[in-house]
Amino acid sequence: AAGVIQSPRHLIKEKRETATLKCYPIPRHDTVYWYQQGPGQDPQFLISFYEKMQSDKGSIPDRFSAQQFSDYHSELNMSSLELGDSALYFCASSYNPGGVNSGANVLTFGAGSRLTVL
Amino acid sequence: DAKTTQPNSMESNEEEPVHLPCNHSTISGTDYIHWYRQLPSQGPEYVIHGLTSNVNNRMASLAIAEDRKSSTLILHRATLRDAAVYYCILRGYGQNFVFGPGTRLSVLP
Repeated sequence: AAGVIQSPRHLIKEKRETATLKCYPIPRHDTVYWYQQGPGQDPQFLISFYEKMQSDKGSIPDRFSAQQFSDYHSELNMSSLELGDSALYFCASSYNPGGVNSGANVLTFGAGSRLTVL
Repeated sequence: DAKTTQPNSMESNEEEPVHLPCNHSTISGTDYIHWYRQLPSQGPEYVIHGLTSNVNNRMASLAIAEDRKSSTLILHRATLRDAAVYYCILRGYGQNFVFGPGTRLSVLP
């Protein structure tokens, strides 16, 4: 079965540079979520999109932005990178019939993109 | 978001059952109980979820207390590949997944 595809898997950037991560959800999934996991930490929710509209926002820095495109893939753009942005970034997708997040919907996560800022 | 409490770590012997507890005393009536696990260097993986009744699937069983203030994830025969961090997460209507510290399960050969 198709899974959530994230690219690139690894990315090395210098401080103050810009990075873009991409996420391709499972076909027919309409909701995409982004999480950040620092070293030794638990995944932290950043932002989510339903049907190309932002549906919820977590602890996403102002330097970060994201969007979901017409083909449902999503991109996380990170600017003015800092050393503390080094982390694993996970994308997840789910299918929310009628846009209803009932609490029962299950998320499928990708393998993650590892960002290293030097 | 409702909170959960899990032991920081647990150990199990291979091929023995494992019972991972989770306390969620402030759970509301519409909160689903989800369990995810994260193997080293991988993304979180769905294990099981339920609302009120016990649930079984090919990976595990979920036992939910009658008052819903606690639940237990049961792995019937632990294997080395089950070594992971297990997260118990409550998710209500319109809420996102909030990962807490989880339980780090070690499986001994």
